Amino acid sequence: SQKIEQNSEALNIQEGKTATLTCNYTNYSPAYLQWYRQDPGRGPVFLLLIRENEKEKRKERLKVTFDTTLKQSLFHITASQPADSATYLCALFTSGGSYIPTFGRGTSLIVHP
Amino acid sequence: GAGVSQSPSNKVTEKGKDVELRCDPISGHTALYWYRQSLGQGLEFLIYFQGNSAPDKSGLPSDRFSAERTGGSVSTLTIQRTQQEDSAVYLCASSLSGERNSPLHFGNGTRLTVT
Repeated sequence: SQKIEQNSEALNIQEGKTATLTCNYTNYSPAYLQWYRQDPGRGPVFLLLIRENEKEKRKERLKVTFDTTLKQSLFHITASQPADSATYLCALFTSGGSYIPTFGRGTSLIVHP
Repeated sequence: GAGVSQSPSNKVTEKGKDVELRCDPISGHTALYWYRQSLGQGLEFLIYFQGNSAPDKSGLPSDRFSAERTGGSVSTLTIQRTQQEDSAVYLCASSLSGERNSPLHFGNGTRLTVT
């Protein structure tokens, strides 16, 4: 069956360090992968999109990689700040007919001052 | 500009009652999605509207759930004869084109509690 896995355990890091979050998938052939941030009591907010033929995408302190061989995307936040504390969700769009993204459960990031 | 607006933000209802949840998408966005999120769970897809096409209802969990989108804009999600397992946050999102490279813009959800 199709599965998207994000680490259910919270990631705790110190301010200034690089946070790395993982999104693994099985039985998908995603054409696009998106990352969202969700704060408590709020809806998810779009951060970055990466296509299957792109290896890496950057936006300010954010970097996303997409390895279709490993079936994995890594999401990096460099020089992390307490304000980066939130839950981060990955979402897959498969190639073919579906225009409906499937979301992972998300990983909570806690950046300590 | 204004983002996606959902109302009410909170709704408490008794088991067996019907509820209506409203979503105002971003103006000009052709695609509209409903998801629900239970505590500690991921986003569960419910229904997808794209322009004037027939909606994709494949995620609706039972025939107690229905949704409309009037005039390609405002959408209403209706849950009839609510059950306690319907308690969740119901999230609406819109996207400009509904294409796979078009980000979703979410509202802040309606927290539904069925007592």
